[in-house]
Amino acid sequence: GAGVSQSPSNKVTEKGKDVELRCDPISGHTALYWYRQSLGQGLEFLIYFQGNSAPDKSGLPSDRFSAERTGGSVSTLTIQRTQQEDSAVYLCASSWDRGAEAFFGQGTRLTVV
Amino acid sequence: GDSVTQMEGPVTLSEEAFLTINCTYTATGYPSLFWYVQYPGEGLQLLLKATKADDKGSNKGFEATYRKETTSFHLEKGSVQVSDSAVYFCALSESDYKLSFGAGTTVTVRA
Repeated sequence: GAGVSQSPSNKVTEKGKDVELRCDPISGHTALYWYRQSLGQGLEFLIYFQGNSAPDKSGLPSDRFSAERTGGSVSTLTIQRTQQEDSAVYLCASSWDRGAEAFFGQGTRLTVV
Repeated sequence: GDSVTQMEGPVTLSEEAFLTINCTYTATGYPSLFWYVQYPGEGLQLLLKATKADDKGSNKGFEATYRKETTSFHLEKGSVQVSDSAVYFCALSESDYKLSFGAGTTVTVRA
């Protein structure tokens, strides 16, 4: 596609349920990032994938969070047993290589009630 | 580790005023530097970038110069418009790939 695509755009879930957020990066981009933007906060790095290398998971806030990237393309961020503090906009970005400018998707707004 | 510190907002200006948003960074090497912008209701998008010392990035009337001696990348625009109202993020990327962002500065331009 022409840009980074994220789905769903909005998700409301009950506390304790699991959610999956999807990201389709720009075709050919080897690097993929997940960030979280909480209300009134900056961008919090979550996880980074580069090609076939092991991902940098250093930003994941707890073991309830996990992410995978299949075939070097689509990525899924999974949050298990959601908590209210998980409510935020989850942003995905991709770039053609490390150090290159990143292109962001529109984000998924997650609300945990 | 790498980090970015940018001027806290919010910043409120009148149209045609001069805008400066300060950004300083900490890095072990020679990072690439970026300014991203998020307009109301839209996604983050790259505004400008600079990849080495003394480079000047420019776009849409905005400019920022990579200053290695002061580890800064301040964003400037000489005459702002209402349409420049947005959140601005300074960011860096080193050879270890990770994009590190500042906290963001909210700018509101009044007509």
